[in-house]
Amino acid sequence: GQNIDQPTEMTATEGAIVQINCTYQTSGFNGLFWYQQHAGEAPTFLSYNVLDGLEEKGRFSSFLSRSKGYSYLLLKELQMKDSASYLCAVLDSNYQLIWGAGTKLIIKP
Amino acid sequence: GAVVSQHPSWVICKSGTSVKIECRSLDFQATTMFWYRQFPKQSLMLMATSNEGSKATYEQGVEKDKFLINHASLTLSTLTVTSAHPEDSSFYICSAKRRLAGATDTQYFGPGTRLTVL
Repeated sequence: GQNIDQPTEMTATEGAIVQINCTYQTSGFNGLFWYQQHAGEAPTFLSYNVLDGLEEKGRFSSFLSRSKGYSYLLLKELQMKDSASYLCAVLDSNYQLIWGAGTKLIIKP
Repeated sequence: GAVVSQHPSWVICKSGTSVKIECRSLDFQATTMFWYRQFPKQSLMLMATSNEGSKATYEQGVEKDKFLINHASLTLSTLTVTSAHPEDSSFYICSAKRRLAGATDTQYFGPGTRLTVL
């Protein structure tokens, strides 16, 4: 079956760096998305990786290794507003989204 | 494994026809389901919130007469795109809210339905 794994919850300190990992096993691969979702709001797009390597976008970076079925989202200079759930989703061979359960990130002052 | 399914996964239709998309929660009851629309590499745009047994709540700018939502049971919500036009072509994603122990809510997303209107 298809599966996406990411930690349920992480805690970090304001100003620090946190890495949220995502491993996947899917039937085919057409890209991996990271979304941020604040409680009660729709998920907002953070990044899309389809080739191996690191994509940097401001304080957020996303890394992909297709051979390892692994991605991470790196958040630098954490701010209180970064407290949210972070969703990893893979587009499979049928262009269907396979979703992780999300990682709840708690930022402490 | 998947806890929310959508059917169909792909649909191609002619302009002017209507298309129905189903969203099912597979092993839990969902009193609330959400319908989103996604354009390539963009955020999910919430279209409406569907509550079992009552009328859906539509977001501003979403035509309720064009996007009909029916939440007929605790495990099924349907989105019907009426008189579809090419600009309605998009990826439609549903999600279902599940209440877990301790009264915390978790949202599970479906795999999406790709609609192409010719």
